[in-house]
Amino acid sequence: DTAVSQTPKYLVTQMGNDKSIKCEQNLGHDTMYWYKQDSKKFLKIMFSYNNKELIINETVPNRFSPKSPDKAHLNLHINSLELGDSAVYFCASSQEGVGYGYTFGSGTRLTVV
Amino acid sequence: KQEVTQIPAALSVPEGENLVLNCSFTDSAIYNLQWFRQDPGKGLTSLLLIQSSQREQTSGRLNASLDKSSGRSTLYIAASQPGDSATYLCAVPYSGGGADGLTFGKGTHLIIQP
Repeated sequence: DTAVSQTPKYLVTQMGNDKSIKCEQNLGHDTMYWYKQDSKKFLKIMFSYNNKELIINETVPNRFSPKSPDKAHLNLHINSLELGDSAVYFCASSQEGVGYGYTFGSGTRLTVV
Repeated sequence: KQEVTQIPAALSVPEGENLVLNCSFTDSAIYNLQWFRQDPGKGLTSLLLIQSSQREQTSGRLNASLDKSSGRSTLYIAASQPGDSATYLCAVPYSGGGADGLTFGKGTHLIIQP
């Protein structure tokens, strides 16, 4: 199936730990993103990667670091997790060009305890 | 900075009704607008993508319109069904175009009563 897939689907971890969320797309898109959906369900962009180059880094703490080994993968690494990091994180991809839409993964629910 | 507003925030109607969800955006220099559906605990499903040169797009019982000059879009759902219950999200490109991500509205939480 052509899709954006992210793992794990659920992640429960203790404060202070370091964790990673993986994302892969087989759509041939050249741009990938990470979005955060907070407890109020509001979606905000965190990062955008185009051909392994960071384009956007919104006001996200530097404990969050995207890593893109190739244009089909964009992983999110989080250091020193805090309670406020609890949220649902969505990976997405798009093809560069003004006429294209976006495809989203199914999300990773991160709970920091 | 682009801002997207969706009205109403929540809507509950009996099955069979036709309904309209509204979306407005502050920067009209957009290349397209996308409507998504999110079911509880699930990801986002793309419903319709309207290019800036288009006035509307249709998919089954869904029709989305775009008035770029006034910064408005509507999603029309005909003959609503309980399976349409979900949160509907409107989104526009982050900085006016290209592959720069999307700015989302806060969504309309829709409940269709059987």
